[in-house]
Amino acid sequence: GAGVSQSPSNKVTEKGKDVELRCDPISGHTALYWYRQSLGQGLEFLIYFQGNSAPDKSGLPSDRFSAERTGGSVSTLTIQRTQQEDSAVYLCASSLTAHLGEAFFGQGTRLTVV
Amino acid sequence: KQEVTQIPAALSVPEGENLVLNCSFTDSAIYNLQWFRQDPGKGLTSLLLIQSSQREQTSGRLNASLDKSSGRSTLYIAASQPGDSATYLCAGINTDKLIFGTGTRLQVFP
Repeated sequence: GAGVSQSPSNKVTEKGKDVELRCDPISGHTALYWYRQSLGQGLEFLIYFQGNSAPDKSGLPSDRFSAERTGGSVSTLTIQRTQQEDSAVYLCASSLTAHLGEAFFGQGTRLTVV
Repeated sequence: KQEVTQIPAALSVPEGENLVLNCSFTDSAIYNLQWFRQDPGKGLTSLLLIQSSQREQTSGRLNASLDKSSGRSTLYIAASQPGDSATYLCAGINTDKLIFGTGTRLQVFP
């Protein structure tokens, strides 16, 4: 595609439910990143993929959070048993290669847990 | 631990002024540095990428420089316009992540 695509753009869910957020990176980009931005806050690193591998999972806030990437393309971020503090904008980015390429971000998924 | 600081935190200027936004990082072990803008409620738009072998990059009215030895990058905006109003973020790129600064919120008024 022309850019990084994220879906859904908005998600309202009840506390305790599971949610899946999807990221379609730019075709051919091997590196993929997930970040979280809470209201009025900076960007919090969650996880990085090189191909289908996630060498660094240290940013995931708790074991309720998991992510996978298949076929070196689409990535899914799953949050189980959502809590109100999970409410934030979840941003995905991709780059041609890790640490060398220009990173491009999607428009984000705004998650609201009620 | 890599930390990235941006100064000033906020800036309000009249249209037409030339601006300098500053970014400093504590660890020179970054590969590249990238500048973004973020409009309210939107994602991040890439402005400029400066690779470690480069010292500056230019795009239109924007010019960014990188001095790894001093841990500094500067974004210069010439002849500012109201449409430049946004939050500007710098990010140091290391092995496996982009490390973002705290941002500069810019308002350009007519």
